[in-house]
Amino acid sequence: KAGVTQTPRYLIKTRGQQVTLSCSPISGHRSVSWYQQTPGQGLQFLFEYFSETQRNKGNFPGRFSGRQFSNSRSEMNVSTLELGDSALYLCASSLGLGSLTGELFFGEGSRLTVL
Amino acid sequence: GENVEQHPSTLSVQEGDSAVIKCTYSDSASNYFPWYKQELGKRPQLIIDIRSNVGEKKDQRIAVTLNKTAKHFSLHITETQPEDSAVYFCAASNNNDMRFGAGTRLTVKP
Repeated sequence: KAGVTQTPRYLIKTRGQQVTLSCSPISGHRSVSWYQQTPGQGLQFLFEYFSETQRNKGNFPGRFSGRQFSNSRSEMNVSTLELGDSALYLCASSLGLGSLTGELFFGEGSRLTVL
Repeated sequence: GENVEQHPSTLSVQEGDSAVIKCTYSDSASNYFPWYKQELGKRPQLIIDIRSNVGEKKDQRIAVTLNKTAKHFSLHITETQPEDSAVYFCAASNNNDMRFGAGTRLTVKP
């Protein structure tokens, strides 16, 4: 069974640009959640999608958005990039809502560098 | 929303010693508390979890304890080995969302 796949793995952008990251969950998993990981800040929750609907949202500005498709694949978009957006973006999938069902299966992440 | 605090941020122990990582949470409705281990350059992976109807859970060398009254839970690793070196994250879930602590970097010195 293939694991959670994130693309691209690495990318470099400049301030003001926008970026789209993709996440393909484990087959059969309907929930995808996104986290921002920075040194010292741990895993900051961005949002969770289940059955194409955003179920939960963390404390990030509106520049951060996402969506989920009917095949459960998810994308997140960051517009008007700032230097502070440089981070590892992790997505995680689970059978049901992650907060209910428990185990989250993480992808390897997309490392974004903003210059 | 839920707020999870984790201590210490770094922990260094000698091989064979025990390690304890502590977390506190703010939302009394939280009922699920997982722990994730992230080795260098790898993805976080679940190592143990506990639900609010249980006070303690053990799996070989790792155990987790939960004190709902005080709203804190802890990870205990006994007989530490070099391969236990990693960043450990605690999390708390209230069935609506799951929030993580800032992580503890554990180093086990041989």
